Amino acid sequence: QSVLTQPPSVSGAPGQRVTISCTGSSSNIGAGYVVYWFQQLPGTAPKLLIYGNTNRPSGVPDRFSASKSGTSASLAITGLQADDEADYYCQSYDSSLNGDVFGSGTKVTVL
Amino acid sequence: EVQLVQSRAEVKKSGESLKISCKASGYSFDTYWIGWVRQMPGKGLEWMGIIYPGDSDTKYSPSFQGLVTISADKSIFTAYMQWSSLKASDTATYYCTRQDTRGWSQWGQGTLVTVSS
Repeated sequence: QSVLTQPPSVSGAPGQRVTISCTGSSSNIGAGYVVYWFQQLPGTAPKLLIYGNTNRPSGVPDRFSASKSGTSASLAITGLQADDEADYYCQSYDSSLNGDVFGSGTKVTVL
Repeated sequence: EVQLVQSRAEVKKSGESLKISCKASGYSFDTYWIGWVRQMPGKGLEWMGIIYPGDSDTKYSPSFQGLVTISADKSIFTAYMQWSSLKASDTATYYCTRQDTRGWSQWGQGTLVTVSS
């Protein structure tokens, strides 16, 4: 059971906006630890999508944005495209576990 | 260009031992943490542990402590994950990843380990 909770799935039509939540606690996101987001396309390795809570690595479209507040974080995808269909994971550090942790993962489906 | 190239897929039997590898290139291997992540079939990502090749400082996730051994050979720029006695529940894809200033930004292609009982 993940210490960072995400909705199992979200869906949207092409062009729409979807958001994915990542709910943590006072020992991880709420303690001020940085949040990262990864995209995992089917059959491939995870890819860093967001680092430092809100920053995009070069090459990641600005359709992807993220925010953090209190014990939660969220990822938004605007202008949804077919190739955004993937699993998305948040990640942070947890002081109780003394290590990095992943969220439970969210499958994004483009209708 | 930073690259992490993992060893090929493995098919093993319960009780057998196994060591998989992650060969790094394109950067100073000594000075970046390497992590290992498990993904069981159809499931999410799980942290197993991390190693600093410069001094082999290793930290394990509580869920994997005592079940696996992470090591590194800096002379050949390679990190390892090993099991002394595999179980069917070890069937998964295992990824290595490198941490830099942006976090875990570089990933290997994954090694699929299949363990039959």
